[in-house]
Amino acid sequence: DGGITQSPKYLFRKEGQNVTLSCEQNLNHDAMYWYRQDPGQGLRLIYYSQIVNDFQKGDIAEGYSVSREKKESFPLTVTSAQKNPTAFYLCASSTGTAGGPQHFGDGTRLSIL
Amino acid sequence: AQSVTQLDSQVPVFEEAPVELRCNYSSSVSVYLFWYVQYPNQGLQLLLKYLSGSTLVESINGFEAEFNKSQTSFHLRKPSVHISDTAEYFCAVSGLGGYQKVTFGIGTKLQVIP
Repeated sequence: DGGITQSPKYLFRKEGQNVTLSCEQNLNHDAMYWYRQDPGQGLRLIYYSQIVNDFQKGDIAEGYSVSREKKESFPLTVTSAQKNPTAFYLCASSTGTAGGPQHFGDGTRLSIL
Repeated sequence: AQSVTQLDSQVPVFEEAPVELRCNYSSSVSVYLFWYVQYPNQGLQLLLKYLSGSTLVESINGFEAEFNKSQTSFHLRKPSVHISDTAEYFCAVSGLGGYQKVTFGIGTKLQVIP
């Protein structure tokens, strides 16, 4: 079945450490997204990519970095510059055309040790 | 710029009772509208969407939403809820044409009481 796989499901970060969240899709979608979800704040866009080797900052990109070297993969690195990284991170993909719904992975919950 | 307002953060309702989850949006251009559902510790799943045509759209599990342009609303309704409907529901909006950012509301937690 086609879908989006996020790993790991749970992740712990030490102070000063960078961590990378994995996101892989086999839906042949051009566009991919990273969101951060905090209680009572809905989803906030971190980064998005409409095509391989290209990506743009979303609303809260500071302290995060991404790459899009393959169509199927869009990893997110949470750097030590992100001072409040504890959150639920969701990856999504879509065809990239207007009106096309987003398909979501099951998320990674990141906590600070 | 566009925004979405979900007026209720939590909605408790008894099983088999009707429910309405409210969503209002603001946009300077025409929009597409979506409702997503999120079960605990999972990602979001598309519930239904309005792109064009009939203003009343339905999902396969009994939910429906009506696009009201004059009131800029897209409220979600179900005539009789089940325990399995307990989840968080997100309203979302995007513009038309080309790549358009999707803006999500803050979510409404529906708690179905047995």
